[in-house]
Amino acid sequence: EAGVAQSPRYKIIEKRQSVAFWCNPISGHATLYWYQQILGQGPKLLIQFQNNGVVDDSQLPKDRFSAERLKGVDSTLKIQPAKLEDSAVYLCASSLEHPITGTQETQYFGPGTRLLVL
Amino acid sequence: AQKITQTQPGMFVQEKEAVTLDCTYDTSDPSYGLFWYKQPSSGEMIFLIYQGSYDQQNATEGRYSLNFQKARKSANLVISASQLGDSAMYFCAMREALNYGGSQGNLIFGKGTKLSVKP
Repeated sequence: EAGVAQSPRYKIIEKRQSVAFWCNPISGHATLYWYQQILGQGPKLLIQFQNNGVVDDSQLPKDRFSAERLKGVDSTLKIQPAKLEDSAVYLCASSLEHPITGTQETQYFGPGTRLLVL
Repeated sequence: AQKITQTQPGMFVQEKEAVTLDCTYDTSDPSYGLFWYKQPSSGEMIFLIYQGSYDQQNATEGRYSLNFQKARKSANLVISASQLGDSAMYFCAMREALNYGGSQGNLIFGKGTKLSVKP
């Protein structure tokens, strides 16, 4: 079974430029997450999708970050304009929903995109 | 207050020995899950082991076991017979079941412990 795919793996941009990251979750996983991991810290949730609807975007800096999951499969995370403090690894994860309890099962992560903003 | 605390920024262990990585958590939710992930230098987060709050026995997965002490709110990871390939960052994470503010299932991570295995 293929894992979570992300691209690009690395990106270097200058501040005020825009950048987009792509994620393809594990087949059949209805729930998709984007996390930001700043160097030396654990990942922090940015946004959670259930199919193509947003479940939680309370920690997404909406003045510059946006995300979409139009057909309930692939997702794109965009930053516009980027700031120096956006330098981080952006991790995408996906999970199944338990068919009876409705709770989310184990999250599986992609390889991440390392972003450096100069 | 931090929900997940990992007090060991770095740990060293000799190859083939066992090592314990500490994790304490804070929650008022009676139903929660605890996870450990491994993050090698390549960056991906690899799922290792899961413990549910109602599980009666400590979870085990191969060389990994979770020492779950519910009253002390600790969920330490034990790696037996360390291998050079175990050198990585290790993150403890918690998932709360209650649906606060619309979120459900997302993980709260600690700051991680860097494990170095010496030959």
